Amino acid sequence: AQSVTQLGSHVSVSEGALVLLRCNYSSSVPPYLFWYVQYPNQGLQLLLKYTSAATLVKGINGFEAEFKKSETSFHLTKPSAHMSDAAEYFCAVSEASGTYKYIFGTGTRLKVLA
Amino acid sequence: GAVVSQHPSRVICKSGTSVKIECRSLDFQATTMFWYRQFPKKSLMLMATSNEGSKATYEQGVEKDKFLINHASLTLSTLTVTSAHPEDSSFYICSAKLAGAYEQYFGPGTRLTVT
Repeated sequence: AQSVTQLGSHVSVSEGALVLLRCNYSSSVPPYLFWYVQYPNQGLQLLLKYTSAATLVKGINGFEAEFKKSETSFHLTKPSAHMSDAAEYFCAVSEASGTYKYIFGTGTRLKVLA
Repeated sequence: GAVVSQHPSRVICKSGTSVKIECRSLDFQATTMFWYRQFPKKSLMLMATSNEGSKATYEQGVEKDKFLINHASLTLSTLTVTSAHPEDSSFYICSAKLAGAYEQYFGPGTRLTVT
């Protein structure tokens, strides 16, 4: 069974600093991968997705992620953190079996320090 | 595009009553919708997958007689929590996807409190 690991349940960065949120997956075949952001008491907003095209994926709000098959990783980065980036971030993988179900990571809470 | 709404956003009900939550895809036809439950400071737990015109597929451990899911049209799915109890209190989130696509679009969630 597939699994998704997000290393670091809490990450703090200074405003203007690099944001790096880690996501590793376990899969025998290249999956489809997603990053979502969740603000308090809201649903999830799609930041970006990898669907077997370009390995470097650009998303909204200045975020990007790189699919590295050799490392089974899909880390999320942003060059310069903004206060508004403070939120919960979830990495998800979609099963390749056709059920389209997501397997979510446990989430990483990003705190941005002034 | 790809907007999903949920109604109500917040509901309080008494123990033993039933509550219905609606999930609508506003600008696209959703062949598949998903229902999740999220506990405080936790990730999302998939409850069931709902395909239009078919019975929902429930995840292991989810009581299908307690959490009734209906997906009668390509833009509407409903989750009914029957005979609700305090332990059913949670944040319920739905998502929807287009046919052939892999990404899911999420609703804003419904906070259910059972007293």
